[in-house]
Amino acid sequence: SSELTQDPAVSVALGQTVRITCQGDSLRSYYASWYQQKPGQAPVLVIYGKNNRPSGIPDRFSGSSSGNTASLTITGAQAEDEADYYCNSRDSSGNHLGVFGGGTKLTVL
Amino acid sequence: EVQLVESGGGLVQPGGSLRLSCAASGFTFSSYEMNWVRQAPGKGLEWVSYISSSGSTIYYADSVKGRFTISRDNAKNSLYLQMNSLRAEDTAVYYCAREQRGYSGYIDYWGQGTLVTVSS
Repeated sequence: SSELTQDPAVSVALGQTVRITCQGDSLRSYYASWYQQKPGQAPVLVIYGKNNRPSGIPDRFSGSSSGNTASLTITGAQAEDEADYYCNSRDSSGNHLGVFGGGTKLTVL
Repeated sequence: EVQLVESGGGLVQPGGSLRLSCAASGFTFSSYEMNWVRQAPGKGLEWVSYISSSGSTIYYADSVKGRFTISRDNAKNSLYLQMNSLRAEDTAVYYCAREQRGYSGYIDYWGQGTLVTVSS
C-alpha cells in the first residue's frame, strides 16, 4: 500500500487563488483524482487525469502534477467552494484506487 | 443518468453481519469496475474493496480482509458487500463507487451512501 498526504486545512479569501496539495510516492507513477465533498453529501469528482474536469465543474478548478506532488488549484474561489477536498490514486501495486489523502478542509473567507 | 443507490445499512451489534447492496442504473453496469469506499463519522474517505467488471478480480483493504466479501450480479445490475464479524471501527457511511478504467483510473460516480452503525 501507499499513502497520500494533504494539509488538514487551508483558507482563502473570496475571489483569490488557492492551491491544495497531495503528496505520495504513487503520484510519481499515477495521476491523482480530486473530489469535493460538502457536509452530508457524497463526494463529487472535480479533476481527473492530467488536468481534466467532468462536465459541470467550473473552469476555475484545475489540476497539475510534479514529481510526487499533485495539486488542485481554485482560481477565484467562490463561497460555494468551501468544502472538504480529497485526492485519490492507485496504490503502489497499481491494482486499485486504494489510496485516499486525509482530506483538506477549505474555508473561503 | 448514472445512478447508484445503496441500501442495507443499519444498526448491528459487534460480531454481527450485514449485507449492503448497490443498485446501478443509467449505464452498462457489466462494463465497469466498481468499488466500496467508506467514511467514518467526522473522518476521511477510506477505500474498502474493488471488483472488476466480470467479478474475476477482487481486492480488499487490509482492515477488512477476511471479514468482508464483495460481489456483483451483472444480470441484476447490482453490487454487494457482505460484512461479517463487524467491529465498532467499521461504523461508517458506505459508498458504492463506479470506476473509470485507465492507467491512472478514477472514480467518476458515487452513490449517496448507506450508514452502518456497529454498537451494542
